[in-house]
Amino acid sequence: EVQLVESGGGLVQPGGSLRLSCAASGFTFSSYEMNWVRQAPGKGLEWVSYISSSGSTIYYADSVKGRFTISRDNAKNSLYLQMNSLRAEDTAVYYCAREGDLFFDYWGQGTLVTVSS
Amino acid sequence: NFMLTQPHSVSESPGKTVTISCTRSSGSIASNYVQWYQQRPGSSPTTVIYEDNQRPSGVPDRFSGSIDSSSNSASLTISGLKTEDEADYYCQSYDSSILYVFGTGTKVTVL
Repeated sequence: EVQLVESGGGLVQPGGSLRLSCAASGFTFSSYEMNWVRQAPGKGLEWVSYISSSGSTIYYADSVKGRFTISRDNAKNSLYLQMNSLRAEDTAVYYCAREGDLFFDYWGQGTLVTVSS
Repeated sequence: NFMLTQPHSVSESPGKTVTISCTRSSGSIASNYVQWYQQRPGSSPTTVIYEDNQRPSGVPDRFSGSIDSSSNSASLTISGLKTEDEADYYCQSYDSSILYVFGTGTKVTVL
């Protein structure tokens, strides 16, 4: 059974940093591209970042480019999102999502990031 | 770049059929596959339709997807509506410049 479990969310002040993790199991993690998708409270879904299976290709949404860094450790079956210079508008539930060929076939349960003073 | 616009909400009685539209603002709806995700309250999204009209295993055949080039839109149809279908539904497609595009979302209420 495919499982994606996010962690690392919490309350952080504007301008602060946070590192999210996603532990994958139930599939060959190193063979799959991965993404982060977020959802602000009461709002819709927004794609954040993509990483190829090897980690050699990375893309970001304009809203986070230059502030967020996606990475992965295939030996640890883990995906990460380093978030710096956080803003109030980054407040959201962050989902780890497996790539199913230009869509998201499995999602984690999400981790809440709240940016507030 | 393009946007995907959905109706804010739709409602229908149990057993009936509901159709949700997803209209692409520019470019052809047929140029990239459309997916549909269901998000029940308090839960993460799950895929109900991928590649315009394909159902993942485990998704009942009450769910179907289609595209209409004349209206430049995709549609998700849920037939034999059940209370468990009450959820938010999002369409999603792909754009070569901004990558993944989500629709605005539709709240389905089963009366």
